[in-house]
Amino acid sequence: GENVEQHPSTLSVQEGDSAVIKCTYSDSASNYFPWYKQELGKGPQLIIDIRSNVGEKKDQRIAVTLNKTAKHFSLHITETQPEDSAVYFCAASRYAGGTSYGKLTFGQGTILTVHP
Amino acid sequence: SAVISQKPSRDICQRGTSLTIQCQVDSQVTMMFWYRQQPGQSLTLIATANQGSEATYESGFVIDKFPISRPNLTFSTLTVSNMSPEDSSIYLCSGRTAGRNEQFFGPGTRLTVL
Repeated sequence: GENVEQHPSTLSVQEGDSAVIKCTYSDSASNYFPWYKQELGKGPQLIIDIRSNVGEKKDQRIAVTLNKTAKHFSLHITETQPEDSAVYFCAASRYAGGTSYGKLTFGQGTILTVHP
Repeated sequence: SAVISQKPSRDICQRGTSLTIQCQVDSQVTMMFWYRQQPGQSLTLIATANQGSEATYESGFVIDKFPISRPNLTFSTLTVSNMSPEDSSIYLCSGRTAGRNEQFFGPGTRLTVL
């Protein structure tokens, strides 16, 4: 089955700096890669995702890049703010089309702390 | 995005008892899942809740311990049976719309077993 490795496990940055979290996956058939943000006491929130037919996707201060050949994808947060502090999870799945779906396999999570 | 709610939000239970967690989703969701998140850990899929039929369990999870119901499209329950302190976790309900990749999560139920 799919295996997703996420690094680093903790990341500390100063407000305004950039943060990068990286994930590698093992199943070359995986084609959907979401990122979730989980704040303390809350459920995971989908913040951005990318499909394998795209190399990069941006949404304001957040971007995700995908390298299919190397089987890794990364989350980039620019101009970090204290409210970005949370646990971030990457995931991978294989979407087969129509009503078929693949189970999400999650990385281990990264605790991001943004210091004011 | 889909709207998912869970009840209770938290509970403290005695070992040997059972707790039933409820999950309500809005009409956009056709697929429902239950996850467990142990303290400081990642998310582990327990089972897929199937409407009107038995849930599909992942390796390591059994129906006797985690019975699941889904009587209609928008509602599901997960029961944690004969609890032990090792069952202390966050239990998350999740939903996805058929034919789409995006999967959304409820706020979670924080269970402590004494």
